[in-house]
Amino acid sequence: SQTIHQWPATLVQPVGSPLSLECTVEGTSNPNLYWYRQAAGRGLQLLFYSVGIGQISSEVPQNLSASRPQDRQFILSSKKLLLSDSGFYLCAWDWDSNTEAFFGQGTRLTVV
Amino acid sequence: AQSVTQPDIHITVSEGASLELRCNYSYGATPYLFWYVQSPGQGLQLLLKYFSGDTLVQGIKGFEAEFKRSQSSFNLRKPSVHWSDAAEYFCAVGNQAGTALIFGKGTTLSVSS
Repeated sequence: SQTIHQWPATLVQPVGSPLSLECTVEGTSNPNLYWYRQAAGRGLQLLFYSVGIGQISSEVPQNLSASRPQDRQFILSSKKLLLSDSGFYLCAWDWDSNTEAFFGQGTRLTVV
Repeated sequence: AQSVTQPDIHITVSEGASLELRCNYSYGATPYLFWYVQSPGQGLQLLLKYFSGDTLVQGIKGFEAEFKRSQSSFNLRKPSVHWSDAAEYFCAVGNQAGTALIFGKGTTLSVSS
């Protein structure tokens, strides 16, 4: 069966510090991978998606970047965090944009 | 453009009462439709999905949803709500452009005793 792991679960970082959130999927190959950010009352905002190794599409210009160094690994990064980067970050995968998406447990990021 | 609207930001229902969460979509073809639930501080879990066939679909935890093409709706229902159903609920539609599912902004369900 397929599983998705996302870590860390919570993170408190000072403004201006770097960020690296990691997401890995097991039990499948060549998944589509996604990073979402969730802010209170604003639903899910798609940040990045990837259909293959090294292929990253950005949905919203921002202070963040994403990389996919391996087929089942998706990393969300920032060189310098802003207060506005605080939020709940969710990684997800699917086989097709019209099929069910599977979500990780999320990372609560607080920038102080 | 494709979109999903959940008109109700927050709903409070008494335990044991029935529930209906509304979802309207805009889509250029036959849509793929989903309902997800999110408990506080957790990821999203799929409740049910509609791809084709019977317009009334059954999901986990006693939930069901009905696809009504004429109303562009996919409302979620449960006949008797339990306190453990308190969570945030998201409706989503498949994306013809080939990117991620399109989500509504969510409805927060509170259950009163």
